[in-house]
Amino acid sequence: SQQGEEDPQALSIQEGENATMNCSYKTSINNLQWYRQNSGRGLVHLILIRSNEREKHSGRLRVTLDTSKKSSSLLITASRAADTASYFCATDEVIQGAQKLVFGQGTRLTINP
Amino acid sequence: DAGVIQSPRHEVTEMGQEVTLRCKPISGHDYLFWYRQTMMRGLELLIYFNNNVPIDDSGMPEDRFSAKMPNASFSTLKIQPSEPRDSAVYFCASSLRYGGQPQHFGDGTRLSIL
Repeated sequence: SQQGEEDPQALSIQEGENATMNCSYKTSINNLQWYRQNSGRGLVHLILIRSNEREKHSGRLRVTLDTSKKSSSLLITASRAADTASYFCATDEVIQGAQKLVFGQGTRLTINP
Repeated sequence: DAGVIQSPRHEVTEMGQEVTLRCKPISGHDYLFWYRQTMMRGLELLIYFNNNVPIDDSGMPEDRFSAKMPNASFSTLKIQPSEPRDSAVYFCASSLRYGGQPQHFGDGTRLSIL
């Protein structure tokens, strides 16, 4: 099942601008994670936000979580060319009694110099 | 610290051949995951292990796929016989716990079945 759904699928902005990506999910969660994937590489964990948290910061990253709307957003401030990558949200889900981390389809972010 | 190590990075082989993908997780991590990533289906969990024991293999697409973890520092994913539709990037990841912990990914094996 597809738990996290990212929006937009692709985003292209100028260097220095802020980038916002959104994630929606369907069921109750314990936590939500964001990952980055550079071309040809594995996913890299960025930040984890628990269901009892509303906002979390890490450097230029800001994540919000709204459990009433079942949505999360990732904001990257003052974007750099090196931020060009795909970004995925991932949610904990119990499927047929087994816990799984389910990834969305991702947002492809392009930072133009 | 060494991250998750996967080999080979690229594999090209003809359909019908046996393919073996290898993974060395981060030392001390109790959980190991195998994922498959394609443009059409995104990132799919195939199987995961806890302390070398397979816990959930419901994502394994067919009996042609098998995975083993003979010890805490090594796992294999085998496809026999391989088919063109198995072409994808296969990732291995490890974590301390499952749930509430980040997963650490290797750089994947890009598999092409001709």
